[in-house]
Amino acid sequence: RKEVEQDPGPFNVPEGATVAFNCTYSNSASQSFFWYRQDCRKEPKLLMSVYSSGNEDGRFTAQLNRASQYISLLIRDSKLSDSATYLCVVSNQGGKLIFGQGTELSVKP
Amino acid sequence: DAGVIQSPRHEVTEMGQEVTLRCKPISGHNSLFWYRQTMMRGLELLIYFNNNVPIDDSGMPEDRFSAKMPNASFSTLKIQPSEPRDSAVYFCASSYNRGNQPQHFGDGTRLSIL
Repeated sequence: RKEVEQDPGPFNVPEGATVAFNCTYSNSASQSFFWYRQDCRKEPKLLMSVYSSGNEDGRFTAQLNRASQYISLLIRDSKLSDSATYLCVVSNQGGKLIFGQGTELSVKP
Repeated sequence: DAGVIQSPRHEVTEMGQEVTLRCKPISGHNSLFWYRQTMMRGLELLIYFNNNVPIDDSGMPEDRFSAKMPNASFSTLKIQPSEPRDSAVYFCASSYNRGNQPQHFGDGTRLSIL
């Protein structure tokens, strides 16, 4: 079993739609959680950290459920520019990041 | 502020040649990470350093790969001899390892071994 598993995608949605990505992790000792975004042929970039109480950044909402070892990302009112691959990332002790395989999102006009 | 700087951006070379990839982390960051990304295997951690010391090199595929960090502002990843299956995008990332801070990635080196 992979340490971090994500919805395989791809997700094809129209502009303005709400889309949710899910992610599970296997190591209950994981300490920090992030969502990264990667555009085609570019480097991964931090989208947002994920906190236990849940957090929101504009149209993006991240949730963490430690008991179920589950992380989610919700994108509201999706834009064409949101098209990218979204990587679920978990940090273990020492700052080592474990990346999921990524979920591809394509927002269509 | 300057981000993580990698060089070269692209490298095309013949199999058997030595390849050296370079990375300058963000100033003040004390952790540095080398990743490899391919379509088949996704993003894989090869090795990471904390305060210039290699902490975990379990991701280094074989002895042909080596990495060094002689000081806080420079690291190299070397492949000798290179093989076609080493073709991938190699990313360097750095972070300030306090409270599990997120990592910041360089633009990557696109390596093609012919």
